[in-house]
Amino acid sequence: GAGVSQSPSNKVTEKGKDVELRCDPISGHTALYWYRQSLGQGLEFLIYFQGNSAPDKSGLPSDRFSAERTGGSVSTLTIQRTQQEDSAVYLCASSLAGISNEQFFGPGTRLTVL
Amino acid sequence: TQLLEQSPQFLSIQEGENLTVYCNSSSVFSSLQWYRQEPGEGPVLLVTVVTGGEVKKLKRLTFQFGDARKDSSLHITAAQPGDTGLYLCAGGSQGNLIFGKGTKLSVKP
Repeated sequence: GAGVSQSPSNKVTEKGKDVELRCDPISGHTALYWYRQSLGQGLEFLIYFQGNSAPDKSGLPSDRFSAERTGGSVSTLTIQRTQQEDSAVYLCASSLAGISNEQFFGPGTRLTVL
Repeated sequence: TQLLEQSPQFLSIQEGENLTVYCNSSSVFSSLQWYRQEPGEGPVLLVTVVTGGEVKKLKRLTFQFGDARKDSSLHITAAQPGDTGLYLCAGGSQGNLIFGKGTKLSVKP
């Protein structure tokens, strides 16, 4: 389809393991965002990529979190040494340009850390 | 730190009733967006407002941006079960798009 896709849809891991979450944005969208949504909470901004500019990493909660965007398209969010508090839905969104444009969201990856 | 507070947090009403949900901040935003999120899906944009005092209508939904661009409201007329979902407001300024925690709306037939 033409929308934002994320994989896997669900991920269960053990505490201390590393996980990689993937996001395929809409083709041609220059901006890509990662958010985290815990149960009953709003969206917590994690990281923002815009074109070839250095990403805005100001929302990453610790140095265990990192993200890459290869070739201006696909992005991978990596969480090292996962903790139980990392359990949440991780949402990816893309848009044509900057923050003020409509963000199109993927369905999210539900991460459960046991 | 810019924060957006949404109220009420939960709202359960009967089909046909009217409702208003609020999004408030002490900060000024250059734009404000409203999204609706259904379980298991990502949020979907409903509207963007950019001018203080602006009112936008989307069928039975009316959105208003406060004169000072610090607050917004969403009014739904004659709510239907299909309106059920989590309504999120998001403020844009320099840098990040900041989301409120949302209002969880349940419309019972």
